[in-house]
Amino acid sequence: QQPVQSPQAVILREGEDAVINCSSSKALYSVHWYRQKHGEAPVFLMILLKGGEQKGHEKISASFNEKKQQSSLYLTASQLSYSGTYFCGTEGNSGGSNYKLTFGKGTLLTVNP
Amino acid sequence: KAGVTQTPRYLIKTRGQQVTLSCSPISGHRSVSWYQQTPGQGLQFLFEYFSETQRNKGNFPGRFSGRQFSNSRSEMNVSTLELGDSALYLCASSLVGSLLAKNIQYFGAGTRLSVL
Repeated sequence: QQPVQSPQAVILREGEDAVINCSSSKALYSVHWYRQKHGEAPVFLMILLKGGEQKGHEKISASFNEKKQQSSLYLTASQLSYSGTYFCGTEGNSGGSNYKLTFGKGTLLTVNP
Repeated sequence: KAGVTQTPRYLIKTRGQQVTLSCSPISGHRSVSWYQQTPGQGLQFLFEYFSETQRNKGNFPGRFSGRQFSNSRSEMNVSTLELGDSALYLCASSLVGSLLAKNIQYFGAGTRLSVL
């Protein structure tokens, strides 16, 4: 089942902060965050694993609440280059969920000067 | 290191035709996944291959098929094209692709397919 992202869109001024949420109805093993700019490939930002391990981008942080199957991506002191569509992808830990990422519909982030 | 390469970048086909898309993964990566991206549905998983074996498949009709070669390159095929197949098709590669390997997928720029 597709995770739900919120908000669908957000507009910021440079320097402002934003939080993007990702919620799943299924037990998760990991949550992956990607950013996609128009006409480009999605770029990996962050992976959060069950148990708390994180790997990712220096200026972006994220959290993963395993009990609630929720993840949040925190963008602080936003820059113009942060603009794009952010996707969370979830990886389950049961048969049928292996070896695949199920993505949310995305959050369009626009950072204005 | 070269990234994931998808060819062609753009395709225009008519209804009823067949199309084959190609994906060359990052050197050393053995897992290749395919996704369909549309404005309304976002990224939808098609299938994943590892060592020439399909390990998982999304909810797409049998017209969508794929395969992987011994050098890890992958192709996907769509037969009897429909208007609704118009989309950006993305492939992603990862080292192993298993849950235990903290699977990070790296995406190609995609093939944009237009069906007229």
